[in-house]
Amino acid sequence: NAGVTQTPKFRVLKTGQSMTLLCAQDMNHEYMYWYRQDPGMGLRLIHYSVGEGTTAKGEVPDGYNVSRLKKQNFLLGLESAAPSQTSVYFCASSFPPDEQFFGPGTRLTVL
Amino acid sequence: GNSVTQMEGPVTLSEEAFLTINCTYTATGYPSLFWYVQYPGEGLQLLLKATKADDKGSNKGFEATYRKETTSFHLEKGSVQVSDSAVYFCALRKRMDSSYKLIFGSGTRLLVRP
Repeated sequence: NAGVTQTPKFRVLKTGQSMTLLCAQDMNHEYMYWYRQDPGMGLRLIHYSVGEGTTAKGEVPDGYNVSRLKKQNFLLGLESAAPSQTSVYFCASSFPPDEQFFGPGTRLTVL
Repeated sequence: GNSVTQMEGPVTLSEEAFLTINCTYTATGYPSLFWYVQYPGEGLQLLLKATKADDKGSNKGFEATYRKETTSFHLEKGSVQVSDSAVYFCALRKRMDSSYKLIFGSGTRLLVRP
């Protein structure tokens, strides 16, 4: 099993550009999450999904959209990137209430 | 509200030294508590957990005890190794709506020197 995978690993965007981060899991988990990690702030929840076709807002959802069209995939979109969205993004999945399994992260820089 | 406070790092130790990383929390009710570890360039991995008061979580020589009276979940290891160098995150899990939410501390970087 690959666990949780994320693509791409690195990306540099210019302000105003758009992009989509892909998260995939092969553990048949119901729940999936997107976090961002910023220095000195730990991880903060952006959006999450409790099943295929569902999404919900987390702690810091502004400027992001998500979709969960297939159970194994959870996409995070940035429609118009801003420098404040420079961060490391982590996807996680779980079969609640068990532990969350994290992907390796995507490092995004917005210039 | 719910929050987690960790000691600031970096923590620098020599190999075989004793490790303590402090973690305290604020929460309503009785959350589950976790320690996650992040090795360089990797995602977070669950290190240990405790789901109720006085539970002790342990893994790979690390231990932490859920202390309700002091709202703490301090991480300890008797003899650290260079391979333990990583960032350690304390977290609590609360039920929210239809899901569970992890609330993380800011992380503590540990550097172990040979």
